Amino acid sequence: GESVGLHLPTLSVQEGDNSIINCAYSNSASDYFIWYKQESGKGPQFIIDIRSNMDKRQGQRVTVLLNKTVKHLSLQIAATQPGDSAVYFCAENIRGNSGNTPLVFGKGTRLSVIA
Amino acid sequence: NAGVTQTPKFRILKIGQSMTLQCTQDMNHNYMYWYRQDPGMGLKLIYYSVGAGITDKGEVPNGYNVSRSTTEDFPLRLELAAPSQTSVYFCASSYSWASGNTIYFGEGSWLTVV
Repeated sequence: GESVGLHLPTLSVQEGDNSIINCAYSNSASDYFIWYKQESGKGPQFIIDIRSNMDKRQGQRVTVLLNKTVKHLSLQIAATQPGDSAVYFCAENIRGNSGNTPLVFGKGTRLSVIA
Repeated sequence: NAGVTQTPKFRILKIGQSMTLQCTQDMNHNYMYWYRQDPGMGLKLIYYSVGAGITDKGEVPNGYNVSRSTTEDFPLRLELAAPSQTSVYFCASSYSWASGNTIYFGEGSWLTVV
């Protein structure tokens, strides 16, 4: 099965509320994680990344939390806006014996913002 | 910079036909990738390249071929199109694997095999 997966396939949030999108991974050798946003008909767009030596990283209205103990990653979006409606993917980069691997993507969570 | 450019954006193929999806990037990235995305699913890696003249298989390489004769270009070839290859294809590039780098994606190519 996939190393990276998501707990919730769909998420509906009221405009102005905070959104939390979760992601689980299974490979303890994963050392770099990225969250992507994909709008309909477009390619994935980088949101924020985090290395395994960190447990939190903040961007503009977004925060990524990494819990290596339970192999869990989350993306928090503050004051969710209609423009945040999209599918969100987490992806991981695994450190192998011959170096890192290409990114492995999860299935995605669709975020729908209710105005 | 144009970033990652892939063509065509839409294509309908008949079973057994061949075609090439073109991908070019102007960021001087060493690493390039081809992903496919089936409806409601995440991206699956088809092939990748860590530099000109070097290519490697990803998770789902069967039915595809690639070449990397230059740093800029990374075409994806479908030799005998099958309905299972109906998907959206994304080309991407990055300077390196990770460590603060990000992958830049093209806009996607919608391929239907009938």
